Amino acid sequence: GDSVTQMEGPVTLSEEAFLTINCTYTATGYPSLFWYVQYPGEGLQLLLKATKADDKGSNKGFEATYRKETTSFHLEKGSVQVSDSAVYFCALSDPGAGSYQLTFGKGTKLSVIP
Amino acid sequence: DGGITQSPKYLFRKEGQNVTLSCEQNLNHDAMYWYRQDPGQGLRLIYYSQIVNDFQKGDIAEGYSVSREKKESFPLTVTSAQKNPTAFYLCASSASASGIPYEQYFGPGTRLTVT
Repeated sequence: GDSVTQMEGPVTLSEEAFLTINCTYTATGYPSLFWYVQYPGEGLQLLLKATKADDKGSNKGFEATYRKETTSFHLEKGSVQVSDSAVYFCALSDPGAGSYQLTFGKGTKLSVIP
Repeated sequence: DGGITQSPKYLFRKEGQNVTLSCEQNLNHDAMYWYRQDPGQGLRLIYYSQIVNDFQKGDIAEGYSVSREKKESFPLTVTSAQKNPTAFYLCASSASASGIPYEQYFGPGTRLTVT
């Protein structure tokens, strides 16, 4: 079945540091890929998405590129802020598996310190 | 404002009692979902519904039940058969078309504690 593997946390960075959160996937078909963010005590918010190979999703300074050859969708930000502290989830939706449910990674907790 | 509402935000119940969590959306989405979130485990799908009066089991449906009588509403009942019901429950919705993976929009969640 489909699966998503993302780097284990927690990740602690100083403000203005560079962020990378790794995400790799396995899928039966040709999935769409998503990054969601969850702030403490809240639901998930869509951060960015990509629907085909070499697409780059971007939002709020975050970027991720759909790499089909390495089955990866790593999240990056050039300069993190304290307000970016949250849990980040990588997810995929794979119509080739017969449905468009989301399959999530386990989440990576990011803490940014001043 | 369009969105998804879940109520209540916190819910406390005694073991052996059934409890129903509310989820309402005004996004005119066809599909709705229920997830369970436990610390360090990500999200796991409980039930989903692609149209009114139809729903399917997800990965962890045992001990849960749902109904979808209206497009806007998808309540989840946690029954006494659920062995470990204490968790954070998230409802989501998405536009739905066969073969097209639309993104899902999430509600703020309900934290259920059973003692």
